[in-house]
Amino acid sequence: ETGVTQTPRHLVMGMTNKKSLKCEQHLGHNAMYWYKQSAKKPLELMFVYSLEERVENNSVPSRFSPECPNSSHLFLHLHTLQPEDSALYLCASSQEMRITGELFFGEGSRLTVL
Amino acid sequence: AQKVTQAQTEISVVEKEDVTLDCVYETRDTTYYLFWYKQPPSGELVFLIRRNSFDEQNEISGRYSWNFQKSTSSFNFTITASQVVDSAVYFCALSEARNTGNQFYFGTGTSLTVIP
Repeated sequence: ETGVTQTPRHLVMGMTNKKSLKCEQHLGHNAMYWYKQSAKKPLELMFVYSLEERVENNSVPSRFSPECPNSSHLFLHLHTLQPEDSALYLCASSQEMRITGELFFGEGSRLTVL
Repeated sequence: AQKVTQAQTEISVVEKEDVTLDCVYETRDTTYYLFWYKQPPSGELVFLIRRNSFDEQNEISGRYSWNFQKSTSSFNFTITASQVVDSAVYFCALSEARNTGNQFYFGTGTSLTVIP
């Protein structure tokens, strides 16, 4: 069983919907991340949280809104998305926010925007 | 410019063949870390290996081996006697010491299909 759990695994939404992606890590890690994976493109880092504080926002449009209520949970709130936002959204965690640390990934949430 | 290049988009091999996945990176740092991840159809990226820039010793783990060459900025991954379970997308990644955040630069991935 993966140490990082993401729900839902699949989500289809219209451009006017509001939905949320949830990530939970059971590893006792202090840093959590949202990545976007689109076909034929490198993984794109969206947000980084360390000890529940957002430490990085890679110029992500405001229609994506992260929330980290505690060190084990991370949400990505979605609002008025565009079809080009369709992708696999991966959550990851690491022990600390260090460049040497390996990332532990969830299985991803496959998002389709109609 | 892309920091990590995986020129091979898709590779198909017959079971039991050896296969090498190429990774070329670009960095000005003297201290950096290189990673390989495997992404099976289930979706999650699974960590395979981490190397730091000061350790050029090649590593072998079962059927997996890694060839790190700073002179050519390459960190290639070889699977010996491939198996169907090796079918996945493999990502190479770079992390630089001067980053203030935890920024991993991923390649675009190589999709490996092992045909039984």
